[in-house]
Amino acid sequence: GAVVSQHPSWVICKSGTSVKIECRSLDFQATTMFWYRQFPKQSLMLMATSNEGSKATYEQGVEKDKFLINHASLTLSTLTVTSAHPEDSSFYICSAIIREGSNQPQHFGDGTRLSIL
Amino acid sequence: GEDVEQSLFLSVREGDSSVINCTYTDSSSTYLYWYKQEPGAGLQLLTYIFSNMDMKQDQRLTVLLNKKDKHLSLRIADTQTGDSAIYFCAGGGIGFKTIFGAGTRLFVKA
Repeated sequence: GAVVSQHPSWVICKSGTSVKIECRSLDFQATTMFWYRQFPKQSLMLMATSNEGSKATYEQGVEKDKFLINHASLTLSTLTVTSAHPEDSSFYICSAIIREGSNQPQHFGDGTRLSIL
Repeated sequence: GEDVEQSLFLSVREGDSSVINCTYTDSSSTYLYWYKQEPGAGLQLLTYIFSNMDMKQDQRLTVLLNKKDKHLSLRIADTQTGDSAIYFCAGGGIGFKTIFGAGTRLFVKA
């Protein structure tokens, strides 16, 4: 089946550093990937929609300069949390869909737990 | 805007059936999904139903869709302790945003 790999699974870093999270589709090409943020005991909050070869579409309230998204190929999207602060600590999850028209739902990575000290 | 609502908690005994309910507002959703999330992990797609179907069965899982009432349910037969997790109901179409419910936390008592 469709597999999405997310790396790293856990990051602990100091306040002010930038952190890059990778999302890869392993056995399919993903024209569209999604980035979500999940707070403890809450649902997923969509941050942005990432389309290969074009700029990401951010949801209202999500800072574009804070959360940089790059989707350079059909199998890789990256989320960079720039100048991270403790309030950015969260669980970040990516998902991908196969090429449009394939009638498949989103496939999720295992998530990245980000802790900013 | 679109909204998906589900109850927050459900507790059942091992061996019983679990029924998790969900209501949604966007009738244009092409697909409706059920995802499972275990602690510290991402979401695992359990099953999904196309909007023109009423029912889908997959081993212990049965999905019922009532389009008129915009109601979706997931029934887990012979619930096991390993089924304890958070279950998310979600609606969406091909290439469209997926709207998630808040998740139902299922507790299975041995």
